[in-house]
Amino acid sequence: QVQLVQSGAELKKPGASVKVSCKASGYTFTNFFMHWVRQAPGQGLEWMGIINPSGGSTSHAQKFQGRVTMTRDTSTSTVYMEVSGLRSEDTAVYFCARSGTYYPHFDYWGQGTLVTVSS
Amino acid sequence: QSVVTQPPSASGTPGQRVTFSCSGSSSNIGSNIVNWYQQLPGTAPKLLIHSNNQRPSGVPDRFSGSKSGTSASLAVSGLQSEDEADYYCVVWDDSLSGPVFGGGTKLTVL
Repeated sequence: QVQLVQSGAELKKPGASVKVSCKASGYTFTNFFMHWVRQAPGQGLEWMGIINPSGGSTSHAQKFQGRVTMTRDTSTSTVYMEVSGLRSEDTAVYFCARSGTYYPHFDYWGQGTLVTVSS
Repeated sequence: QSVVTQPPSASGTPGQRVTFSCSGSSSNIGSNIVNWYQQLPGTAPKLLIHSNNQRPSGVPDRFSGSKSGTSASLAVSGLQSEDEADYYCVVWDDSLSGPVFGGGTKLTVL
């Protein structure tokens, strides 16, 4: 069965970086896109970006340009998202979500990773 | 502020029918398909409706979606207590070149 398993919660100081992983199993890793979506406490969902595990190409929401880096490791079927220059507003649960196309048809989601930014 | 607007809350009693709206523009809902997600407290979102009005396998037919012009709607009939959740619409936006989520509607079952 399809599973997306994310890394554990992180506590970071302002200005630091965080790297969240999402390990996929149960399907051919390179056949599906992976998106990142975040949710601040008590807030709605926000799309951050997408990576094509096949070639590694990425695209980000404009507000994250320059601060977010998405990568993948096909040998372990894992995608990574690194956010640099963390600020308190980046405190959120970060989800990875799979889609068969570039569009927001997310059929499977990771369990979420809480990133807390606090001094 | 999202470019796609949803009312922040809705409520109904068991057995009732409730609808949620999702309002956008020509660059998003007016030209692209809308998907809906249900998020139960403390869990990841779940795909509820895709391609405006299609239910994935396993989603009860109490849930239905529609789209007209630059607006979309999600309807839940025969409301049940387990339907209490947050509901989000999401759609590709041509101007932003990426998906945009509505702000979400919190459904309370009274």
